[in-house]
Amino acid sequence: DTGVSQNPRHKITKRGQNVTFRCDPISEHNRLYWYRQTLGQGPEFLTYFQNEAQLEKSRLLSDRFSAERPKGSFSTLEIQRTEQGDSAMYLCASKLAGNNEQFFGPGTRLTVL
Amino acid sequence: AQKITQTQPGMFVQEKEAVTLDCTYDTSDQSYGLFWYKQPSSGEMIFLIYQGSYDEQNATEGRYSLNFQKARKSANLVISASQLGDSAMYFCAMREGRTSYDKVIFGPGTSLSVIP
Repeated sequence: DTGVSQNPRHKITKRGQNVTFRCDPISEHNRLYWYRQTLGQGPEFLTYFQNEAQLEKSRLLSDRFSAERPKGSFSTLEIQRTEQGDSAMYLCASKLAGNNEQFFGPGTRLTVL
Repeated sequence: AQKITQTQPGMFVQEKEAVTLDCTYDTSDQSYGLFWYKQPSSGEMIFLIYQGSYDEQNATEGRYSLNFQKARKSANLVISASQLGDSAMYFCAMREGRTSYDKVIFGPGTSLSVIP
């Protein structure tokens, strides 16, 4: 399968714990995006990378959130000291710069108890 | 202010009929792009169609067409010959500015149910 993959698909954690999600983009794609989607809403932009450089961060991305793409390939999104309001689907997408379509992964559903 | 408005939270359509999903957007940029994505109950986001602000022709992709009315700032999705598999959430989205500036903003979505 050469699509965008995300792991884990589901994560249940207790409030206050740290969690880390991984996204593996389509191999030749140099841009990678993270979105958060809550129930009944459209995806909200969090951040994006071109290669290893993080080009923009949303104001939604509080200091408890950090994203990396160390070698310009896979990316990780870490949430520290999780809160119940962090419960959501976290979506990753990738594309080639200059192309229009973003290809989305299946998402990681986070539940914070 | 909402950048993308989708005023129809839910829509029903009879199988084999056509349906129009509404989308209006707000931008002061001259260069922008508009997208429609489908999200079935399984959760994955599926790209359907793209329209650039300078494209003179309305975009079409198979049974999907985008009715782009620039002066009205609307980008409605038309699905012809609806199929049961079209039942899903549909999101309108916009990229402001040049292709190199890549933040995409999504609307709240419209839930489409196709009735046999």
